[in-house]
Amino acid sequence: QSALTQPASVSGSPGQSITISCTGTSSDVGGYNYVSWYQQHPGKAPKLMIYEVSNRPSGVPDRFSGSKSGNTASLTISGLQAEDEADYYCSSYTSSIPYVFGTGTKVTVL
Amino acid sequence: EVQLVESGGGLVQPGGSLRLSCAASGFTFSSYSMNWVRQAPGKGLEWVSYISSSSSTIYYADSVKGRFTISRDNAKNSLYLQMNSLRDEDTAVYYCAKGIDYWGQGTLVTVSS
Repeated sequence: QSALTQPASVSGSPGQSITISCTGTSSDVGGYNYVSWYQQHPGKAPKLMIYEVSNRPSGVPDRFSGSKSGNTASLTISGLQAEDEADYYCSSYTSSIPYVFGTGTKVTVL
Repeated sequence: EVQLVESGGGLVQPGGSLRLSCAASGFTFSSYSMNWVRQAPGKGLEWVSYISSSSSTIYYADSVKGRFTISRDNAKNSLYLQMNSLRDEDTAVYYCAKGIDYWGQGTLVTVSS
């Protein structure tokens, strides 16, 4: 099972919107609505930001939204803020193992 | 409040063994599946192992299959990972996670001679 493909880095200015893609196959992202997104600040544990493609856990700002089309899922951060600078990882349920993670994306707020 | 506290990490020589523990509180531990996920220094997240709430279903990543064993004790609200035949490439921070939503702070395992 190969890791899901994410861009290595994405950047934006405060207030702008950015989108991070997560590309898999029909055996993972495309086959199930179990895509999650995690935010990880340096030295910290990952934090769940989106589950089941587009659902936000309690306490996560509505600036964060998720979607999916075919084998690609996306995380959009609207109204980018300085505290959004972090690494972001997607994950998906798969047909062979419970979870596979994406390669990770470093978000930089300019 | 959900709390997951990992312990048992440390420095071990290649070929050695280590047992990680994860103490859970703030939720009904016996009702949830649990996972171990690791992150090598400067690298991304790698799922390691899954155990269902009753221990009836267990999965391992190919990279650890046959060397690592996941288990749990619902009476003690604890999750374990027995790691044998450790390799340099097993060096990582190991996180326990409640399903996919809450994660502990991790414990560092360093495999080096």
